[in-house]
Amino acid sequence: KNEVEQSPQNLTAQEGEFITINCSYSVGISALHWLQQHPGGGIVSLFMLSSGKKKHGRLIATINIQEKHSSLHITASHPRDSAVYICALSRGGSEKLVFGKGTKLTVNP
Amino acid sequence: GAVVSQHPSWVICKSGTSVKIECRSLDFQATTMFWYRQFPKQSLMLMATSNEGSKATYEQGVEKDKFLINHASLTLSTLTVTSAHPEDSSFYICSARIRRIQATQYFGPGTRLLVL
Repeated sequence: KNEVEQSPQNLTAQEGEFITINCSYSVGISALHWLQQHPGGGIVSLFMLSSGKKKHGRLIATINIQEKHSSLHITASHPRDSAVYICALSRGGSEKLVFGKGTKLTVNP
Repeated sequence: GAVVSQHPSWVICKSGTSVKIECRSLDFQATTMFWYRQFPKQSLMLMATSNEGSKATYEQGVEKDKFLINHASLTLSTLTVTSAHPEDSSFYICSARIRRIQATQYFGPGTRLLVL
């Protein structure tokens, strides 16, 4: 079983819709990361969370440590939000990130 | 913000040749750099962790003699794919971390390698 699972694998939305991507994990973590990988391959770090909630523009990330679950929300989605969103875990004492398989989001105009 | 560059962005080479990929932190000093490989529709897979001035730590299953990593300075790490074969064709991406206590990694734009 993978240590980190994302859902859904693929998501198609219409411009303006509210988007939710989920990430569940089964191990202890020191932090959870949300990354965005553009169609060309480049990766941008969106959030690093260890508790609670963070907001940046139209993006909101939440984490529930007890339930080992995190969500990434996108409000008023736009075609430029189309990308693969990746959940990754930092584990205490290790520099390595453990990556989910990603959620491919397509926002149609 | 912290910027990481990679060069080249894509490369096509013949089987048996060696390819060097550079990863640079442009506006910060990176104590640690990571090299990842990503096959189509797959997750990123960590290949090795590189600390400035010391030997890289390779993940299980990654041949250190085939994937040579040199982290000669706090702003530059290189990955050399020696005697590349078609199965080495992949997307190689590096990331850099500023300090040991900070978990955030800054990713480069990636290098797409095609071995013919």
